[in-house]
Amino acid sequence: GDSVTQMEGPVTLSEEAFLTINCTYTATGYPSLFWYVQYPGEGLQLLLKATKADDKGSNKGFEATYRKETTSFHLEKGSVQVSDSAVYFCALMSREYGNKLVFGAGTILRVKS
Amino acid sequence: KAGVTQTPRYLIKTRGQQVTLSCSPISGHRSVSWYQQTPGQGLQFLFEYFSETQRNKGNFPGRFSGRQFSNSRSEMNVSTLELGDSALYLCASSLRTGESGANVLTFGAGSRLTVL
Repeated sequence: GDSVTQMEGPVTLSEEAFLTINCTYTATGYPSLFWYVQYPGEGLQLLLKATKADDKGSNKGFEATYRKETTSFHLEKGSVQVSDSAVYFCALMSREYGNKLVFGAGTILRVKS
Repeated sequence: KAGVTQTPRYLIKTRGQQVTLSCSPISGHRSVSWYQQTPGQGLQFLFEYFSETQRNKGNFPGRFSGRQFSNSRSEMNVSTLELGDSALYLCASSLRTGESGANVLTFGAGSRLTVL
């Protein structure tokens, strides 16, 4: 079945450091890919998405490119802030299964000032 | 506009009891999905409802059930609670379902269930 693998955390960075969180997926067909973020005590917020190969999703300085050849969707940000501290989830949605999202395990990001 | 509203936010039950959680989607959204979040299993899909019909179901026992009303509000029920049902239950709504596979889900803050 469909699955998503994320790099394990926690990831601890200093403010203004470069961030990469790796995400790879396994799916039949061509899924849509998402990054969601969860702040303490809150639900999930959509950070960005990409719906086809070579699409780049971007939002709030975060970027991720849908790479079909490597089945990857790595999240990057050039300069992290303390306020970016949260849990980041990579997810996929296959059109065969309606609105079912398959999530990775999540990566905790801690940014120190 | 109002987001996805889940009630109650916190609740404590004992083993063997049942629980009902409620979700009010964003106005105009007709799809409601439910997810269970636990430290051990992560985020797992429970089921999706669209126009009062269950569209898809995850791999959970029959103790987990749901329904959707004509106003798109949804409830999920867990009967005969077990300790392992302790989790954050998240509801998400969307305008559409299926088709493009790129529908954006908006999540609520969740209902945190503790089973003692």
